[in-house]
Amino acid sequence: GAVVSQHPSWVICKSGTSVKIECRSLDFQATTMFWYRQFPKQSLMLMATSNEGSKATYEQGVEKDKFLINHASLTLSTLTVTSAHPEDSSFYICSAYPSSYEQYFGPGTRLTVT
Amino acid sequence: AQSVSQHNHHVILSEAASLELGCNYSYGGTVNLFWYVQYPGQHLQLLLKYFSGDPLVKGIKGFEAEFIKSKFSFNLRKPSVQWSDTAEYFCAVSMDSSYKLIFGSGTRLLVRP
Repeated sequence: GAVVSQHPSWVICKSGTSVKIECRSLDFQATTMFWYRQFPKQSLMLMATSNEGSKATYEQGVEKDKFLINHASLTLSTLTVTSAHPEDSSFYICSAYPSSYEQYFGPGTRLTVT
Repeated sequence: AQSVSQHNHHVILSEAASLELGCNYSYGGTVNLFWYVQYPGQHLQLLLKYFSGDPLVKGIKGFEAEFIKSKFSFNLRKPSVQWSDTAEYFCAVSMDSSYKLIFGSGTRLLVRP
């Protein structure tokens, strides 16, 4: 089956620093990937749609200057949390789909900002 | 705005009991419907999906779901749960030709041995 990986799985950073999270599709190409945020004991909230070779599309309320997305290749999208603050602490999950409508999810990255 | 509702936030069952988790969405157009499961410490996995055709869909691990268009519902069922079904279950919907998924709030299922 299709596999999506994320790196790192867990990161701790200090307030004010930036953190980059990678999302890779390991055995398929993905022109579109999605980034979600999951708060503890809550559902996934779509943050943005990452498009290979073009700008990401952000959902309403998501700061595009804070959450920088770069879809550099057909197998890699990165999410950079800039000037991180404790309220950015969360679980970030990416997804991609090798075929119509069926998305495969990465294992997630837990970000803790101290 | 479109939304997906899961009314059962926590469900506790004994092994062999039957399960039904509710999912309702608010959108009058064409929808694609999904149930995902997240086992403790693991990533989301697709249980089953509905795109078109037979409204009763069967998924992995003995799960099934029924799409009732008139009720805007896509309830998940399993006739006999096992301890290994302990997990969080998410209903998700994509609308029209969009690939974007809108998730419900999730239902935490605990199955007691």
